[in-house]
Amino acid sequence: DAKTTQPPSMDCAEGRAANLPCNHSTISGNEYVYWYRQIHSQGPQYIIHGLKNNETNEMASLIITEDRKSSTLILPHATLRDTAVYYCIVAGNNRKLIWGLGTSLAVNP
Amino acid sequence: SAVISQKPSRDICQRGTSLTIQCQVDSQVTMMFWYRQQPGQSLTLIATANQGSEATYESGFVIDKFPISRPNLTFSTLTVSNMSPEDSSIYLCSVERTAMNTEAFFGQGTRLTVV
Repeated sequence: DAKTTQPPSMDCAEGRAANLPCNHSTISGNEYVYWYRQIHSQGPQYIIHGLKNNETNEMASLIITEDRKSSTLILPHATLRDTAVYYCIVAGNNRKLIWGLGTSLAVNP
Repeated sequence: SAVISQKPSRDICQRGTSLTIQCQVDSQVTMMFWYRQQPGQSLTLIATANQGSEATYESGFVIDKFPISRPNLTFSTLTVSNMSPEDSSIYLCSVERTAMNTEAFFGQGTRLTVV
């Protein structure tokens, strides 16, 4: 079973920030939080990952709560091309990625 | 990053036949993974393929049905044997450079339809 809980779907207006939540209350101390997305008919794409500090890259920001039981992926200025299914995964070293159903994000014009 | 080429991109096959899917990576990688994604579902790991050893299969998947080869550090194949309509899925190859907290890269997938 997936170790994360995500809302099944979200909407966001183009140009606005998309904030995608993820609950991972059973995360272990050595497990990282990974975010991937899958645009329709494509393979999944890595976005970002983190352990306990907030992380930012050219695609997104990852905010992890102090107790590490939840996190939020932030797409600062969503575009139509960001419409995809977003997967939050927790995994440790030498780990298998266990995929849940993710959040289907629709960015609307 | 790693560039992964998967072939074929799609195929329609008769039940009872077998299909071999190829995964070519543009650089040497330690771990390669094969996933299945059934319609409307998430990804399910079939097996982990490491060069020089037999693949490690996940629960519910067996070597006779999904034989895997990993002849070198840049190539792997997955065969879907004795296909039935229930095998209609997208099959995805994935790689990681090391086992230590690196991101996974995916091919574009093979969309298989069994009729």
